[in-house]
Amino acid sequence: SQTIHQWPATLVQPVGSPLSLECTVEGTSNPNLYWYRQAAGRGLQLLFYSVGIGQISSEVPQNLSASRPQDRQFILSSKKLLLSDSGFYLCAWSVHPGQGVYGYTFGSGTRLTVV
Amino acid sequence: GDSVTQMEGPVTLSEEAFLTINCTYTATGYPSLFWYVQYPGEGLQLLLKATKADDKGSNKGFEATYRKETTSFHLEKGSVQVSDSAVYFCALSEFGVTGGGNKLTFGTGTQLKVEL
Repeated sequence: SQTIHQWPATLVQPVGSPLSLECTVEGTSNPNLYWYRQAAGRGLQLLFYSVGIGQISSEVPQNLSASRPQDRQFILSSKKLLLSDSGFYLCAWSVHPGQGVYGYTFGSGTRLTVV
Repeated sequence: GDSVTQMEGPVTLSEEAFLTINCTYTATGYPSLFWYVQYPGEGLQLLLKATKADDKGSNKGFEATYRKETTSFHLEKGSVQVSDSAVYFCALSEFGVTGGGNKLTFGTGTQLKVEL
């Protein structure tokens, strides 16, 4: 069965420090991968998605970047964190179009607090 | 572009009450529709889905029917429990329309609190 792992679960970082959040998927190949952010009391904002290794699409201009160095690994990074980067970050995967309608499977999330 | 509108929360109900969370959408094509649930401190879990008009998705006593004529996908449950307290997200996806990933568009979420 497919599983998705996301870590760390919580993170407190000072302003200006770097960030690296990692997400890995098991039990499937060539998944679509996504990073979402959920700010306090707000909905979900799609940050990045990837349809393959090295292929990253950015949805909104921001202080963050994403990379996909391996088929089932998706990394969210920042060189210098801002206070506004605080939030709940969710990784998700899905099958490609044409492979069925299964929605997304989400990781358990990372609570990031920038202080 | 695509959008999803959910009723404002929080919604507070007594246990065994009837639940309705309204969701309407706008889309350029023929989307698939989803409800996700997020329990406190956790990620999102798929609750149910529907892929074509008049489809009814159901799971754990929750139901939602894809109404193309009213562009709605309202979530209902006949008798809620304290354990149903969570945030519920309505979402849509037009698979393949973007030519890339299966991007889901989410509503802002509705918090449900069920009390004894």
